Amino acid sequence: RKEVEQDPGPFNVPEGATVAFNCTYSNSASQSFFWYRQDCRKEPKLLMSVYSSGNEDGRFTAQLNRASQYISLLIRDSKLSDSATYLCVVNKEDTGRRALTFGSGTRLQVQP
Amino acid sequence: GEEVAQTPKHLVRGEGQKAKLYCAPIKGHSYVFWYQQVLKNEFKFLISFQNENVFDETGMPKERFSAKCLPNSPCSLEIQATKLEDSAVYFCASSPGLGGSPLHFGNGTRLTVT
Repeated sequence: RKEVEQDPGPFNVPEGATVAFNCTYSNSASQSFFWYRQDCRKEPKLLMSVYSSGNEDGRFTAQLNRASQYISLLIRDSKLSDSATYLCVVNKEDTGRRALTFGSGTRLQVQP
Repeated sequence: GEEVAQTPKHLVRGEGQKAKLYCAPIKGHSYVFWYQQVLKNEFKFLISFQNENVFDETGMPKERFSAKCLPNSPCSLEIQATKLEDSAVYFCASSPGLGGSPLHFGNGTRLTVT
């Protein structure tokens, strides 16, 4: 089983739709959580950190459920420019090492 | 600088040749990470540095891969005797600290081994 699992998609949604991505992680010692976005052939860019209480940034809402080891990302009012791959990233620090583990990504295609 | 700078953008090497990739982290960031993205979205951790010291090298293939971060120089990742399966995009990232600090990625170096 992978340490971080995501539905690969693709999710094809019309403009204006609401779409949700899920991510599960296997290591209960994981401490920090992030959503990154990666456009084709480009570097990953931080979309948002994920906090235990849940957090929102404009049209984006992230939730963390530590008990279920589950993270989600909700995108409201999808724009064409939201088309990208969304990477769930989990960080575990153990004995001073930092282990940032990436999910395989969920591809979103927003259509006009 | 304000961005992680990676060079070159593209690198083509014949099998068995050496490849060397460079990364200048964001000024003030103490931690540097190297990742390999082989398939479209699979990121493999290679190695991390805290300043010039190796922090975690558990992802490094020992035989042919090496990396350094020397003072006043860009960090480097070197692959001796490249193989076809080394073809990938190599991303460097830096962060100011550990804990909840997110990583800032460079544009990547696309290595093609022919």
